Amino acid sequence: GENVEQHPSTLSVQEGDSAVIKCTYSDSASNYFPWYKQELGKGPQLIIDIRSNVGEKKDQRIAVTLNKTAKHFSLHITETQPEDSAVYFCAARAGEKTNAGKSTFGDGTTLTVKP
Amino acid sequence: GAVVSQHPSWVICKSGTSVKIECRSLDFQATTMFWYRQFPKQSLMLMATSNEGSKATYEQGVEKDKFLINHASLTLSTLTVTSAHPEDSSFYICSALRRGLGINEQFFGPGTRLTVL
Repeated sequence: GENVEQHPSTLSVQEGDSAVIKCTYSDSASNYFPWYKQELGKGPQLIIDIRSNVGEKKDQRIAVTLNKTAKHFSLHITETQPEDSAVYFCAARAGEKTNAGKSTFGDGTTLTVKP
Repeated sequence: GAVVSQHPSWVICKSGTSVKIECRSLDFQATTMFWYRQFPKQSLMLMATSNEGSKATYEQGVEKDKFLINHASLTLSTLTVTSAHPEDSSFYICSALRRGLGINEQFFGPGTRLTVL
């Protein structure tokens, strides 16, 4: 089955700096890679995603890059703000015919943005 | 993004009782929903996949008789924790799959905190 590894487990940055979280996956059949932000006591919220036919996607201060050959993808947050502090999860998913649409999640990264 | 609700948001119950958690997709139909369990400072652990009109598919190690799942309509799935014990205390999160052109997006509910005394 799919295995997703996420690094680092914790990340602390100064407000205004950039933050980068990296994930690797093992299943070459995976073709969809979402990122979720989870605040304390709440459910995960989809913040950005990327499909395997795209190398990079950007949405304001958030960007995701994908290297299919190396099987890794990264989340980039620029000009970080204290409200960006949360746990971030990456995930990988193959087509529904492969695994019924189930996503495999990384272990999460706790991001702390210091004001 | 799409909206998924869960009810209740938290529940405290006595050991031996059963607790039902509801998951609703508010603005789209979801033939597939997922139930997760999350321990403090850990990732999401998939418990089962709920399919509308059919039996749920449970992950290895998850007791189907203890965690009853019913997906009776395209917008509602329920998880019932039967004969709850303190070790069942956890944060339970559902998600619903919104089917789209080319890709299906997964949206999560806000979670339910279960505490079994």
